[in-house]
Order: sequence, then C-alpha cells, then structure tokens
Amino acid sequence: AQRVTQPEKLLSVFKGAPVELKCNYSYSGSPELFWYVQYSRQRLQLLLRHISRESIKGFTADLNKGETSFHLKKPFAQEEDSAMYYCAPSDQTGANNLFFGTGTRLTVIP
Amino acid sequence: GAGVSQTPSNKVTEKGKYVELRCDPISGHTALYWYRQSLGQGPEFLIYFQGTGAADDSGLPNDRFFAVRPEGSVSTLKIQRTERGDSAVYLCASSYISGSTDTQYFGPGTRLTVL
Repeated sequence: AQRVTQPEKLLSVFKGAPVELKCNYSYSGSPELFWYVQYSRQRLQLLLRHISRESIKGFTADLNKGETSFHLKKPFAQEEDSAMYYCAPSDQTGANNLFFGTGTRLTVIP
Repeated sequence: GAGVSQTPSNKVTEKGKYVELRCDPISGHTALYWYRQSLGQGPEFLIYFQGTGAADDSGLPNDRFFAVRPEGSVSTLKIQRTERGDSAVYLCASSYISGSTDTQYFGPGTRLTVL
C-alpha cells in the first residue's frame, strides 16, 4: 500500500538557518513526487515537482530511490517560508491523484 | 485568471441531512479531483473526473458519497445521511489534462461541519 511519512509535524528554525523537511514514501511503481505548500489563509499550491528538477523560492528536493526519500531543503530560511508543507507522490496508474503526507508546519523565527 | 472556486466556503448541517458541495474548475481543465482533509491530516483522494465521467472513484469512503460532473466543467459532491465523521474540509482541484506532470490547482475548500 502507498504510504507517505513526514516525521515532523512541527519544525522551527531561525531566519537564515538551513531547513530540511523530511519525506519518506513507500510506493508501488515509480511515482512522480511533489511538494505542496499552504501559506496562512491561502489555498494549497504546488511548490515543486521532482521531474522538473527546479528550484522554487530557493527550495530544492532530491529524490533518493534507495532510501525512498524526497526531502525538501533550503539553505537559508526566510520568514515568508513559514507555512504548511506536504509531500505528495502521484499515482501514475491512471488518475494521477496525489497521496499526501500529514504535513510539516514550518515556522521561521525572526 | 480565475482559479478554482468552491461554494459554499462553510457548511454547517445536522447529522442525517443531505449536502451538496460545488466546484468550479479552471476553464478548459478536463481533469477534476475531489479530496477530503480531516483535522491534522493531509488531503485524501476521493474521486477523479476526466471530462464528464468518473474515471476513478476508489477513494469514496462509502455509498453515501457521490459526485457528478454532467457537462465536464462544474462538479458537485453529494453526501447523503451525513455523519459527524464527515466533518472535514473538502478540496477540489483541476488540471489541464490528467498526467503526472500536470499541476493540480486547488480551490479554497469547503469546510463541512456535521453537528
């Protein structure tokens, strides 16, 4: 069965410090992997996806197939990064629906 | 342009009642998804439409839940005989086509409270 684990429900870092939000997945096949973010009083939105190999707002995520991890990283956290972050593999067998983790609430302390 | 919209934003109902939740996807998006987010959890997939047809309804928890998309745009999620456990935020998302690289754009959600 598909499973996504985000071990930290809450994570606080100081502004300017590096941040890493962990995500481990257990998934059949080769899922596509996404990170979604929800800022305060805003809707859920895509932050980045593995296939694009992109860096958005300074965030990157590396897929480690051996460890089945897709951790999100940023070298220098900013206050505006405070938000709820969800790791989400995509089912590629048809619907391409997303399986979300429970999320990590990141707080960046000024 | 206009994003995904959902109405109502909040719905309070009594146990046993019937409710309808509406989703207006982004114009031209053929794929539409419904998710449910319970308190402290991530969104959970309910149903997926490609055009007018429900291509995958494997996430619907039981037969009290039903969704339609008769003209391939607006979708309605229908819940019969509501129970307190149905209380959650119901999210709708749309994408241009269904594909692993297609971004799903989410609506603001409908917060359903069953008393």
